Amino acid sequence: AQRVTQPEKLLSVFKGAPVELKCNYSYSGSPELFWYVQYSRQRLQLLLRHISRESIKGFTADLNKGETSFHLKKPFAQEEDSAMYYCALSGNYGQNFVFGPGTRLSVLP
Amino acid sequence: DTGVSQDPRHKITKRGQNVTFRCDPISEHNRLYWYRQTLGQGPEFLTYFQNEAQLEKSRLLSDRFSAERPKGSFSTLEIQRTEQGDSAMYLCASSLLDTQYFGPGTRLTVL
Repeated sequence: AQRVTQPEKLLSVFKGAPVELKCNYSYSGSPELFWYVQYSRQRLQLLLRHISRESIKGFTADLNKGETSFHLKKPFAQEEDSAMYYCALSGNYGQNFVFGPGTRLSVLP
Repeated sequence: DTGVSQDPRHKITKRGQNVTFRCDPISEHNRLYWYRQTLGQGPEFLTYFQNEAQLEKSRLLSDRFSAERPKGSFSTLEIQRTEQGDSAMYLCASSLLDTQYFGPGTRLTVL
């Protein structure tokens, strides 16, 4: 069965420090992987997806099929990055959409 | 069109009552999703429509839950004979391709 795990419930880093939010998945097939973010008092929104291979707000994520991971990274965290981050996967046609439990990132001044 | 909207934003009901939530997707989006989110958890998939066809239903969706999307536009999610365990945030999302756009959610409290 498809599953997404995010081992850290809370991650605290200081401003300017590197940050890595971990995500591992299990899926029988080739999933599409996403990172969604929810800032305080805002709705859930897409941050980035693996197929577009883009950097958004300085964040990148690389799909490692061997390790079934899709970790989110940023070299220098900013206070405005503080939010809830969810890793998610789906099948090729939007089916079987599964979210991880989320990691709360707190960037300290 | 300012995005996905959901109504009501909050609903308080007594155990055993029926409730219905509405979701209005972004107008050109053909896919519509419903999720449930409880405190400390990520959104849990409930059901998925492509146009008016309900293509997928989670095992979480017991027979007390029903969703419709008549004419492939807005969608409704009905919960019959509510239980305290149904208390949660119910999220709707729509998409044209793979990027889902979420609504603000409906917070249900069952007393």
